[in-house]
Amino acid sequence: GESVGLHLPTLSVQEGDNSIINCAYSNSASDYFIWYKQESGKGPQFIIDIRSNMDKRQGQRVTVLLNKTVKHLSLQIAATQPGDSAVYFCAEIASNTGKLIFGQGTTLQVKP
Amino acid sequence: EPEVTQTPSHQVTQMGQEVILRCVPISNHLYFYWYRQILGQKVEFLVSFYNNEISEKSEIFDDQFSVERPDGSNFTLKIRSTKLEDSAMYFCASSRDPGPSGNTIYFGEGSWLTVV
Repeated sequence: GESVGLHLPTLSVQEGDNSIINCAYSNSASDYFIWYKQESGKGPQFIIDIRSNMDKRQGQRVTVLLNKTVKHLSLQIAATQPGDSAVYFCAEIASNTGKLIFGQGTTLQVKP
Repeated sequence: EPEVTQTPSHQVTQMGQEVILRCVPISNHLYFYWYRQILGQKVEFLVSFYNNEISEKSEIFDDQFSVERPDGSNFTLKIRSTKLEDSAMYFCASSRDPGPSGNTIYFGEGSWLTVV
């Protein structure tokens, strides 16, 4: 079946450094992608989204890059802070259904 | 900021018992979802619901599961006869629009179900 996955289960970075979390997706028909942050014991929290007609979108301290050629999605977090420590999931929405397909998740650990 | 609320936050139940998980979606949202997350695993889609009927369901959502919107505000997930493998965090979510049309799906804090 089609799936969305992340390359690394855990990423450890120093506070203040930039973080890059990667995701590969397999459904070339997907046209909407979301990054979620999940803190321990909480539900997924929307961070940023991107449509397939874009290759880059910036938010506050976060940037999402989409490379449709290689079906790759990444989340860049600038000046990573301890509060950024969480599990990050990429997800794609199956067109017109609202059904989110989540990847496995990357745990971001920020060292002070 | 509006939010999706879920109750209970944690429930322990004996195998074979019925469980009802409750959700209050965001008030102007029309599309409702249940997802689950087994400990340490990814979030999995269970079911989507619109206009008082199921829009889509996954293979996980078998006959033991049902959803209902009994009134104008609540959205419930019922597990008729719980199994040990139903132990998971169950997330309710809602959105204003379906699919990739600029919507954002908002998740609740989750209901942690432990089946013993």
